[in-house]
Parts: sequence; structure tokens; C-alpha cells
Amino acid sequence: TQLLEQSPQFLSIQEGENLTVYCNSSSVFSSLQWYRQEPGEGPVLLVTVVTGGEVKKLKRLTFQFGDARKDSSLHITAAQPGDTGLYLCAGDRKGAQKLVFGQGTRLTINP
Amino acid sequence: ETGVTQSPTHLIKTRGQQVTLRCSSQSGHNTVSWYQQALGQGPQFIFQYYREEENGRGNFPPRFSGLQFPNYSSELNVNALELDDSALYLCASSLLAGNFEQFFGPGTRLTVL
Repeated sequence: TQLLEQSPQFLSIQEGENLTVYCNSSSVFSSLQWYRQEPGEGPVLLVTVVTGGEVKKLKRLTFQFGDARKDSSLHITAAQPGDTGLYLCAGDRKGAQKLVFGQGTRLTINP
Repeated sequence: ETGVTQSPTHLIKTRGQQVTLRCSSQSGHNTVSWYQQALGQGPQFIFQYYREEENGRGNFPPRFSGLQFPNYSSELNVNALELDDSALYLCASSLLAGNFEQFFGPGTRLTVL
């Protein structure tokens, strides 16, 4: 059983459409991070959210941390082919010496 | 500022062999974490090293071991390789111990035949 469940696991949409990726858990996290990983490369940190209800924007990407700090979402507006990649959420639980990753959402944006 | 580097890029081994993977942390970072990423999965935490001491370990058997050196570079050693050890091995460095924002290297793709 995954501590962090991401949905959907696969998403293929047309350029210009909007999309939302979800990261859910029954556990409370001190912070949640979102990474993007391209084939043959390591994950690249996009954002960290630490406060319940926090919203952060990175150009066309909007990240939200749930009020109870158990879930997060990533919304992309007007998706572009360059957004294609594996999106990973990762959580930090207080007192745990490890970062827990979701299984990832593989996003494909078709021109 | 130099990012996280890993070597080798790719490696092929046979069952029962031993392997050593290497990682150089980002300049100024004293903490290194290792992850195993199977195909189609998210990374799984193996262990973390802070100032040359192990600082947390995931659910991996003792045949997975590590070292951190005074310059904060690190090694991951895996003994008695099994087919299921085939994966991308990622190293990440951070400024602080624990789970602060981590910066990943490109990974080492290990194939066990």
C-alpha cells in the first residue's frame, strides 16, 4: 500500500487543455514537494508547500496543500508539450528520516 | 555551483555479484540520500547519510550499505545482487539532515542479469 497515492497514474491530453493531478494520503505531512522527472534524468524539485491551505504558483502551474496537510494537487493551465514528464509528489512526515514518494503521474501533452 | 553527479551512468551485472555506485553532492550540501526507483514507480528511500553517519534507513536488507566521505561524497554498495535489484539508483543531496528540499543526480541505471 502506497502512503501517498497519486491520480491519475497516466494522463494524455491535447495542447491547450487544463489538467489536475492529485496526491492523497491518510497521513499528515510536515511538507509536500512536487518533482518533475524526464526520461534518463533525476527528479527536479518544482515546489515545496508547508502550510495547510497554502497555494503556490509557478507560471502555468498551481500547487495547493490541503487544509489538513494530508493531500495536495497540481493544476496546469493551457498545457504545452514541454510539460510532458513524470510528476512525483513526496511527503515529509515529522520525526521520520525519509522522504516518501507517490508512484507518479505520467503526463503526455500532444501537439 | 556544481550539481549532484553520479557514476557510472549505466551498469550491467549478473546475479550474485557486488556493485558500488558513487555520488558527489551539490556544493555546500552535507547530507546525501539514496533512492531506488523501479520502472514505472516512484523512488523508494534506501538510506541517508549526514556528516559520515547513517541518519535513517528504509526497508532495504543489510546487503545494501553505504558510506559518506569527509568531502560529503557517498557510495552505495549492494552485495549478492538479485534480479529485482535492477532499477535506477538516485542520489540526492540537501543542505540539512532529514527531509529538506533535495536535489537529485541523474541516477545510475543498474541491470542485473
